[in-house]
Amino acid sequence: DTEVTQTPKHLVMGMTNKKSLKCEQHMGHRAMYWYKQKAKKPPELMFVYSYEKLSINESVPSRFSPECPNSSLLNLHLHALQPEDSALYLCASSQVAGTASGPLDTQYFGPGTRLTVL
Amino acid sequence: LAKITQPISMDSYEGQEVNITCSHNNIATNDYITWYQQFPSQGPRFIIQGYKTKVTNEVASLFIPADRKSSTLSLPRVSLSDTAVYYCLAPWGGKLIFGQGTELSVKP
Repeated sequence: DTEVTQTPKHLVMGMTNKKSLKCEQHMGHRAMYWYKQKAKKPPELMFVYSYEKLSINESVPSRFSPECPNSSLLNLHLHALQPEDSALYLCASSQVAGTASGPLDTQYFGPGTRLTVL
Repeated sequence: LAKITQPISMDSYEGQEVNITCSHNNIATNDYITWYQQFPSQGPRFIIQGYKTKVTNEVASLFIPADRKSSTLSLPRVSLSDTAVYYCLAPWGGKLIFGQGTELSVKP
């Protein structure tokens, strides 16, 4: 089973709203990732959690706040977003976090949350 | 120094073999190259990965020459349902970086 689930599938929010995106995996993976993907562009890494600790923050604005409550769950809290933050937000997981891109750090992606900020 | 590069688009016809090449001219000896397929508004789906010579699975083959400066994803006998964007993922500058993606269009 290589399934990563994400909720909600779609989200529309105003610039003053607070919302959260959720991601879950039950593969026993110890690394989880958030990516942002704009139309016709590759996914851009935002955050990496390794063993439930934030290991990489790619200089993401503070209006995006990640949280890893346990090894299976990953949240992304959203507050005071801008219209340019509208994108597909992807969650991924891997056995471990690494950069050799080998079998142990192969990332498996969820279906994404389509976020629209009005 | 170029990052990870691949052609922006390719066209093919049903039943043909499609080869998509990714250039990654600065990867280490044991670094893997991974390929993903992505349909509109879906997450990338793992296709294949390897770090040398040739790897084959039930959907694709991956060829990596000895200099490892590029890799080629080979899709045998494509069908209309293979129309998608294909990304290579490789290490660059201490991070894993996606190529720009190749939009493959398969026509009847």
